[in-house]
Amino acid sequence: NAGVTQTPKFQVLKTGQSMTLQCAQDMNHNSMYWYRQDPGMGLRLIYYSASEGTTDKGEVPNGYNVSRLNKREFSLRLESAAPSQTSVYFCASSEPPLATDTQYFGPGTRLTVL
Amino acid sequence: AQSVAQPEDQVNVAEGNPLTVKCTYSVSGNPYLFWYVQYPNRGLQFLLKYITGDNLVKGSYGFEAEFNKSQTSFHLKKPSALVSDSALYFCAVSSYSGNTPLVFGKGTRLSVIA
Repeated sequence: NAGVTQTPKFQVLKTGQSMTLQCAQDMNHNSMYWYRQDPGMGLRLIYYSASEGTTDKGEVPNGYNVSRLNKREFSLRLESAAPSQTSVYFCASSEPPLATDTQYFGPGTRLTVL
Repeated sequence: AQSVAQPEDQVNVAEGNPLTVKCTYSVSGNPYLFWYVQYPNRGLQFLLKYITGDNLVKGSYGFEAEFNKSQTSFHLKKPSALVSDSALYFCAVSSYSGNTPLVFGKGTRLSVIA
């Protein structure tokens, strides 16, 4: 039982390059989330998927797209990376309702955009 | 809109002393409150949550938190700190009225000194 897994663990991109961050969970959770963590800013929600087939914007969605591929997988895509997207990205999952259930986090992806 | 404030960026405490990490919140409707902990280079881990019922909530690793509705606070406490408690602590809030995901605070770094 791996919980929430994320790939890759580290990535360096040049400005303008694209990439997809992968997330998978084996807890049969319906809801999944993408966050970014920046020093002094805490954890900010980028996008979430309350259930398979739905996605919604969070606090900081600009410059990102997501795909809920199936119940297990939720990917985050940067189409044209910018230095401002240098951050640590976390995926999480939970059961609905969104407001009350415990979220389980992956180990994170550390992304640097040069 | 919901928000959470952690007024201290850093808290230092001697090993064996009691510790408090502060959190205040703002929501419309009933609040649901969470504490998570992040150890270096790891994802966030759930500590405890208040949904309803007893205002004193007990969680993992000997931590507890007290919900105070009149002061809109949910401070994290532990009677006797350990060096291994040194980590980054996040408070988070949601509200069932909107069934929206958690909003996290900016985090408080706890250092327990031997």
